[in-house]
This record gives sequence, structure tokens and C-alpha cells, in this order.
Amino acid sequence: SYDLTQSPSVSVSPGQTAHIACSGDKLADKYISWYQQTPGQSPVLIIYQDSNRPSGIPERFSGSNSGNTATLTISGTQAMDEADYYCQTWDTGTVIFGGGTKLTVL
Amino acid sequence: QVQLQESGPGLVKPSETLSLSCSVSGDAINSTTYYWGWIRQSPGKGLEWLGLIYYTGSTYYSSSLKSRVIISLDPSRIHFSLQLTSVTAADTAVYFCARHVVVAASAVDYWGQGTLVTVSS
Repeated sequence: SYDLTQSPSVSVSPGQTAHIACSGDKLADKYISWYQQTPGQSPVLIIYQDSNRPSGIPERFSGSNSGNTATLTISGTQAMDEADYYCQTWDTGTVIFGGGTKLTVL
Repeated sequence: QVQLQESGPGLVKPSETLSLSCSVSGDAINSTTYYWGWIRQSPGKGLEWLGLIYYTGSTYYSSSLKSRVIISLDPSRIHFSLQLTSVTAADTAVYFCARHVVVAASAVDYWGQGTLVTVSS
């Protein structure tokens, strides 16, 4: 089965850039989506098809996918961006989620 | 505005069947553009995909839960349902229903608010 691997935690200072990675075999051959989840809330789609932002998602969120790694980048990180972030893809009839990364804004 | 709303018992006994329904408003389940699925999250854990269904009735299930999961469409095409058989405490989780975009590697663009199901005697 296909796996997506994320680091459990990432820390960033306010105003700095955060990079959250998601790795998988030949990941660039697949589309990746990213979700943000704050405590007690449903996840929110913030990136789809590697780098597209849904309507209403701030421009500071961006995504890329190359080789075996997809990256979610948050520029000018704000305190409100502190959350859990999940990557997701589709492989042979299966939806796959990464284990999630907790972003702490210190 | 698309809305998804889960409903069903919040408490299920071990070995019994968990049954949830998802009501869809603002969209038609018989759309070629979307799948309709279920995702759960155990307390303090990550997201776990359970399965999804297309308007034709075709289904895809998680390999780890395939023997216990059934997702079905209501003939009204306003609801779709989840059944999870032979539950144990490990099935205690918040269960989300979701709309997956077919062409975007099943990205979930709409989520229900989630419903907590506890498995306990």
C-alpha cells in the first residue's frame, strides 16, 4: 500500500516562513492536497492539485510537489496558522492521508 | 452553499453495527464530479479514510476496513450512509462525511461537522 510520511511537528516564529513536508514514493506523479485542522473543527482544504488554492484561502499558503516530496509553504506565518496540517493523495482506488504535522507558532 | 450533516447514534455497543447517515444540501449526489465518502479521527489521532461512493453506486473502501464497511446511497439521492460492523473500542472516533472531487485526486472540498461515536457497553 502507498504511504505518505509527515514530520510530527514543525515550529516557526511569527512572520517567518514555515515549510511542511510530505513524502512518498514518486510523489510527483500524483496530485497532493493539504488540509488545515484546528482543535475541535473539521479539516479545511487549503491546497489541491499540488499548488491550487480554493477560494478564500490566503495567498500566504502555497504548495509544490517534486520528486518524492510535496511541500506546503506558509509565508509570513501568523498565530492563527497554528494547527495540524495533513497531506492527502489518491492511489489505486484509495484515499491516503499523511499522519499530520502539528505547526507551532512560537 | 453545500452542506453535509452527519446523524446517528453517539453510543454503540461492542460487536454491534455503527450506522451513520450524511445529509447533503446545496448539491446533488448524482453528480459526475464528486465522490461521497467517510473519514474518521480517533481522539488525539490523525485522519483515517474509510471509503467512498460514486453516484453510480460504485464503492471504494480502505483495505484495512474493507471487510467491515458498507457505504450506500439513499434512493432519494439526498443521503448516503455508513455501516461499520463488529465494532470495538478502537472504532471510537469522530466520523466525518465528505465530498471528494474526482479530478483532484479526491480532494475533500466539503466536510461535515463530524459526529463523535463512542463504542462502549
